[in-house]
Amino acid sequence: LAKTTQPISMDSYEGQEVNITCSHNNIATNDYITWYQQFPSQGPRFIIQGYKTKVTNEVASLFIPADRKSSTLSLPRVSLSDTAVYYCLVAPLAYSGAGSYQLTFGKGTKLSVIP
Amino acid sequence: GAGVSQSPRYKVAKRGQDVALRCDPISGHVSLFWYQQALGQGPEFLTYFQNEAQLDKSGLPSDRFFAERPEGSVSTLKIQRTQQEDSAVYLCASSPFSGIANYGYTFGSGTRLTVV
Repeated sequence: LAKTTQPISMDSYEGQEVNITCSHNNIATNDYITWYQQFPSQGPRFIIQGYKTKVTNEVASLFIPADRKSSTLSLPRVSLSDTAVYYCLVAPLAYSGAGSYQLTFGKGTKLSVIP
Repeated sequence: GAGVSQSPRYKVAKRGQDVALRCDPISGHVSLFWYQQALGQGPEFLTYFQNEAQLDKSGLPSDRFFAERPEGSVSTLKIQRTQQEDSAVYLCASSPFSGIANYGYTFGSGTRLTVV
């Protein structure tokens, strides 16, 4: 499974755009990039997923350069309620036998939004 | 129910005690996963069920950990002779897909186990 590296923590003021970058230098051809959000005392929640270029939904945008060795999660105009830990995951979409059922979360990025 | 339900939400166990943690997945979800999350760390995979079949238990840390899903719905994670290093949040997730590894997960809020 591809290893990911992301900042341990980030601070942002309310109303600003926040970009969290994740490095995944050894991403495989069939790997997808997925971001999860986790609030205290809750389980992780799916935010967005992509393979290449740009993906946008009602919550966030995901930018993936052509070499796919990194990705950037963009949160527009953050509010206090966006304070959470954000995890970048890289894994194949389809099962390929034992070991492929596992998602590797890492330590994530703790985003603190300041009023 | 509308989401994945886990019970109890909190459990305090004396060292050496056996505990059982319950997960009620979303109705009809084929896949069920257990993860362990230590304080300040990301979730770590424990085991995976497809219906009642346990297809991957490679993440279970020792033979004191046992999971079952006998009828393909509710699952129980059992920890025997608990030790302090077992203190963590135990998360359950379910998915409606049987062949997709990286999409469609819904996590429960977890059970926080404290071993004293």
